[in-house]
Amino acid sequence: GQQVMQIPQYQHVQEGEDFTTYCNSSTTLSNIQWYKQRPGGHPVFLIQLVKSGEVKKQKRLTFQFGEAKKNSSLHITATQTTDVGTYFCAGLDNAGNMLTFGGGTRLMVKP
Amino acid sequence: DGGITQSPKYLFRKEGQNVTLSCEQNLNHDAMYWYRQDPGQGLRLIYYSQIVNDFQKGDIAEGYSVSREKKESFPLTVTSAQKNPTAFYLCASSIRPGYMNTEAFFGQGTRLTVV
Repeated sequence: GQQVMQIPQYQHVQEGEDFTTYCNSSTTLSNIQWYKQRPGGHPVFLIQLVKSGEVKKQKRLTFQFGEAKKNSSLHITATQTTDVGTYFCAGLDNAGNMLTFGGGTRLMVKP
Repeated sequence: DGGITQSPKYLFRKEGQNVTLSCEQNLNHDAMYWYRQDPGQGLRLIYYSQIVNDFQKGDIAEGYSVSREKKESFPLTVTSAQKNPTAFYLCASSIRPGYMNTEAFFGQGTRLTVV
C-alpha cells in the first residue's frame, strides 16, 4: 500500500533559525496536504499542493511539491515559539480515495 | 456552527470490553476517516468511508469495526480483539475526494484508556 515517510522525526531549533521537514511518498500522489498539530490538539489544515513543481507561501512558511509528485517539503524561515508543534504531510492517492499521513516532524523552538 | 464532533473526549474501559467512539459531522462531507495516534507518533489510518453504506479498511483495521448508515455519522467500535487499544483516536471528514478541495477537518479526538 501507499507509504508516506517524513524526516526528521524531531527538530530542536533556536528561535530565529530556519526549519525544514521533508516528505516522501512510495507512489505518485494526486495532491499533498500539510497539517499542524499543537501539543494536546488535533491536526489543522495548512495548505494543499496539487500541481507538479508547485510552490506556495504563507508568510514565513514555504511549501513545495516535487516534479514527480512524490515528495514535498515545508520550510519555515526565522522560527518563532508559536511555530512549536508537529507538522504532518498527507498524500492523497491517485484514485482519490485514501489520505495517508506521514509520521510527522515535531518542532521544538528554544526562546 | 459547522464542524465535526467526537465524543466523549476521554473514555476509560476495562480490558475485554467493546467500546464505541462517536463521530458526527454537519459539513455535508461525503468522506470520513478514523485515525489512531500513539504518543509521539503519526496518524495511522484505521478505516475510511467515501459514501454512505460503504467503507474500506486502512492500514490497521484489525480489532476495529465501523458503520456508515448516515452521511453525518461514522462510529468506530474498538473490539476486545484489539490488542493495544489505549490511544488517541481522531475522526476526520472531507468533501468527496476527487474534488479539488480535499482538505480534511478533524474532530477534537477521543483519548481511550483501557485498564
